[in-house]
Amino acid sequence: GQSLEQPSEVTAVEGAIVQINCTYQTSGFYGLSWYQQHDGGAPTFLSYNALDGLEETGRFSSFLSRSDSYGYLLLQELQMKDSASYFCAVKEGAYGGATNKLIFGTGTLLAVQP
Amino acid sequence: DAGITQSPRYKITETGRQVTLMCHQTWSHSYMFWYRQDLGHGLRLIYYSAAADITDKGEVPDGYVVSRSKTENFPLTLESATRSQTSVYFCASSVNFRGAREKLFFGSGTQLSVL
Repeated sequence: GQSLEQPSEVTAVEGAIVQINCTYQTSGFYGLSWYQQHDGGAPTFLSYNALDGLEETGRFSSFLSRSDSYGYLLLQELQMKDSASYFCAVKEGAYGGATNKLIFGTGTLLAVQP
Repeated sequence: DAGITQSPRYKITETGRQVTLMCHQTWSHSYMFWYRQDLGHGLRLIYYSAAADITDKGEVPDGYVVSRSKTENFPLTLESATRSQTSVYFCASSVNFRGAREKLFFGSGTQLSVL
């Protein structure tokens, strides 16, 4: 079956660095995405990794190791506005396929404290 | 630029009633998705569609019906609502979701309560 595991909660202080891990077990893996969701809001896309390695986008970076079925989201220079839920998601299917879909993890609630 | 809109924003219904949640996108995106979000379960895929008249089941399709007669609309129907279907429902779309970096754009959600 499919499963994605993330820590349920993480707490960090403003200005610090925090890493949110995600391990997955799925079929037809095609890539790992990260989404942010503020309380009461809609999820918004943060990053995507199809290949092993680190992808950097401003203060956020995402890493993937396909051999370990593992990835993480790294948030640097934490700000209060980063307090939100963060979801990893696995893209399943085949390139160009009509059955591509995104399966989400249960999410990690990040609390940034002053 | 309306993007992707869901209606209603809030809905209260009774068990056994049929309910339809609407999703409309103005981008002509090929792919559309329905997710439900519950505490402790994250976002779970109900149904998705690769194009008009092409739909497929996700992780939790039981009790739901979808249709996609037009590219821009993807309604979700609860045929006979149950209390376990109380949830926040999100619709999402993607340009084609076949490329390596395609991302999902989410609507604002519909909060459904089944009494």
